Parts: sequence; C-alpha cells; structure tokens
Amino acid sequence: EAGVAQSPRYKIIEKRQSVAFWCNPISGHATLYWYQQILGQGPKLLIQFQNNGVVDDSQLPKDRFSAERLKGVDSTLKIQPAKLEDSAVYLCASSLGVAGANTGELFFGEGSRLTVL
Amino acid sequence: EDQVTQSPEALRLQEGESSSLNCSYTVSGLRGLFWYRQDPGKGPEFLFTLYSAGEEKEKERLKATLTKKESFLHITAPKPEDSATYLCAGTGGSTLGRLYFGRGTQLTVWP
Repeated sequence: EAGVAQSPRYKIIEKRQSVAFWCNPISGHATLYWYQQILGQGPKLLIQFQNNGVVDDSQLPKDRFSAERLKGVDSTLKIQPAKLEDSAVYLCASSLGVAGANTGELFFGEGSRLTVL
Repeated sequence: EDQVTQSPEALRLQEGESSSLNCSYTVSGLRGLFWYRQDPGKGPEFLFTLYSAGEEKEKERLKATLTKKESFLHITAPKPEDSATYLCAGTGGSTLGRLYFGRGTQLTVWP
C-alpha cells in the first residue's frame, strides 16, 4: 500500500517569497492533516480536512497561510509571504477516520523541509 | 490548556539495557493517546494508540501503557536500531482529531 506522498522534499526561499507544498494521502483516507514541525519540537496541527471540508484551522496563520483539498483527495499548503519563523518541516498526514476514533491512526508523509533566508 | 510533556528529553542506553520513556498529559476528555517513532529526516511512524486507563499494547521490544495521567513506553533489551525520537500525542474533547504532541524523547542505543 502506497504511503502519504509529499513534494517537494526541500525548499529554500527568501523571506517575503511564496511557496507551495503538495500532498497525496493514502487512498481512501477521508481525513487529511497538515502539521508544522519546528526543529526540536513536536508537530503542531495547522489544518484538518474531512473530505473536502475544513474541520479545524484554528491554529493556521490565515494572514499568510492557506490550504485547500481538491475533490477530497490531494491537498496544497501555501505560504505567502514567508517569514523567517516559517522555517520548519511541513508534514502531511492522513487517516481513515478521525484521530481518537477507532480508525483514527495518522500516517505521515516524509515531510517538506522549508528554509526561509 | 491541553498539553503533553515528555521526559527525559534524551536517553542513552547500552544495548540490552531496558528503560522507560514517560509521557504526562493534560488533555481534557482524552480520547486517544498515540506513540510515534521518528527517524532523522523522516515523518513520524505510528506505533500505538491507547484509549483507556489500564490499556497496554506491545510490539516487538516496545510496550505502551496508559494511566489516567500519563503513559509509558517500555523498551526491553533495546538494540541500536531502536535509536530514534519517540513522540507522544493526545487528542480529546472538543478538539477531537487535533493531536497535541510532546517534544519527544531522543533515544540512542549504543552497542
């Protein structure tokens, strides 16, 4: 079974530039998540989708971050304009159900490492 | 405030030396406590989910347990390939689906 695919793996940009990350979840997984992991910290949820709809985006900095999930499958996360503190690994995860339910185990991709100079 | 705290931050063990990692949580209405393993440059890899106090799960040399305030990941006779960062996360209450992660415990097992 194919895992969660993410691209690009690495991206270096200057501050105030824009960047986009792409995620393809495990086939059949209804729930998709974007997490931000800053070096030395645990992942922090940015946004959660259930099929096409947004379930939780309360921790997404909406002045610069946006995300969408097309047709309930692939998702993109965009940052515009980027700040130095956005340097982090952006992890996409998917689950069959919602985390905390019996089928809620999250499966993560390898992440997209962003460096903002 | 929902929060997960892990200790120790780093742990060095000799091969075969058993130990435990701690995860204390203050997640209201806990609905699931997760353990993940993360290797350098990789995404977290799912290990266990625990749903209620008293529950235990095992996988090879790893055993996870859950009480009403904390969870433990016991590592029995570790091998160098068990070296990784182990992350604990909880979800519950009105924020079901949002995982609150700890900072992780970086485990190094030397031969």
